[in-house]
Amino acid sequence: NAGVMQNPRHLVRRRGQEARLRCSPMKGHSHVYWYRQLPEEGLKFMVYLQKENIIDESGMPKERFSAEFPKEGPSILRIQQVVRGDSAAYFCASSPRLLAGFYNEQFFGPGTRLTVL
Amino acid sequence: EDKVVQSPLSLVVHEGDTVTLNCSYEVTNFRSLLWYKQEKKAPTFLFMLTSSGIEKKSGRLSSILDKKELSSILNITATQTGDSAIYLCAAVGGATNKLIFGTGTLLAVQP
Repeated sequence: NAGVMQNPRHLVRRRGQEARLRCSPMKGHSHVYWYRQLPEEGLKFMVYLQKENIIDESGMPKERFSAEFPKEGPSILRIQQVVRGDSAAYFCASSPRLLAGFYNEQFFGPGTRLTVL
Repeated sequence: EDKVVQSPLSLVVHEGDTVTLNCSYEVTNFRSLLWYKQEKKAPTFLFMLTSSGIEKKSGRLSSILDKKELSSILNITATQTGDSAIYLCAAVGGATNKLIFGTGTLLAVQP
């Protein structure tokens, strides 16, 4: 059973370009979380998605960032018109179906390191 | 605003030393506290703590949660150079089970 997969592992963009980060959850997992780790900082929650639904986007910047998790295919985190401050490691984590009142372990992917020149 | 604070920010020890890493949290609808180890890649899961006062152990690592003090510690005994990493503490909060991370403690174990 493959783990959480993210691609690309490294992405270089120039200011103003778009960045698309992909996350394929573990088989059987229908919940995806995206986290961002800025240099010298801890991970910060961005967004939580289930298939075709955004459940919690309280950590997403209001502009230029969007996320989706379509019925088929990976979850996509999209950053439009990137700026230098977007340079960070972006991790996604997946978990199985949420059981009310319980914490379902989140399994992390290897991350995408985005560098904005 | 939910927050998790870790201390110290960094620590340098010699092989064989024992270290204690601290984590405190203020999180609404707190459910659990997790510890992760990160070595230049994805965080790897160490412990999940839900009940207060019950120590969890894995080899030379152990951890305990104190819900009264809203804190947790991670102990590593007989440290080895392979323990060098960033140790992240995260609290699980809210209905959506998002993880609220601290900034981490950078541990460097010197031979």
